Amino acid sequence: DQQVKQNSPSLSVQEGRISILNCDYTNSMFDYFLWYKKYPAEGPTFLISISSIKDKNEDGRFTVFLNKSAKHLSLHIVPSQPGDSAVYFCAASAGAQKLVFGQGTRLTINP
Amino acid sequence: EAGVAQSPRYKIIEKRQSVAFWCNPISGHATLYWYQQILGQGPKLLIQFQNNGVVDDSQLPKDRFSAERLKGVDSTLKIQPAKLEDSAVYLCASRGVRGKETQYFGPGTRLLVL
Repeated sequence: DQQVKQNSPSLSVQEGRISILNCDYTNSMFDYFLWYKKYPAEGPTFLISISSIKDKNEDGRFTVFLNKSAKHLSLHIVPSQPGDSAVYFCAASAGAQKLVFGQGTRLTINP
Repeated sequence: EAGVAQSPRYKIIEKRQSVAFWCNPISGHATLYWYQQILGQGPKLLIQFQNNGVVDDSQLPKDRFSAERLKGVDSTLKIQPAKLEDSAVYLCASRGVRGKETQYFGPGTRLLVL
């Protein structure tokens, strides 16, 4: 029962362009969504989050969009930089309960 | 502010042996989580503590896995006996009492069972 899905295992983007990572969920009770970034041999690092009462949250180069009717969220990174190369996980929770993670998307930024 | 600490970072054991992992959360964080991350998958929650009480252990294989957080601070996760399919990264995370649901992760312990 995969409640949070990241359907793209990998994504390759040119440096300076926009990176768009997508995530779909099935549980309508989820009310908080997060993106984590993971480098090899390190734990996931919190990147940005959004509450279900909003449809957009921005932090510098990172913007998360939430479409509740489609049960879809996306992370936009613009402009993409080489240091953004990592695995990105989306996660969701319902009422401050446990986080449910997607499978991750490996982002590669090409110079 | 110091982050979540975990040890050891790597462990190689043979199947049927036992192993233990240690986690020290961010100071003042009441909630502590243990996750299992198998290669190519996202982290999966094993157990959640609130102070020294268990909140959720529904996905913990209790026949072989155990965890404790006796004084409501650091925690240990044990596997006994280990199986080949336990090879994974074991991540510890913590969260503060108030506000958002953001969890902060440690570097993880990479376990290889041979």
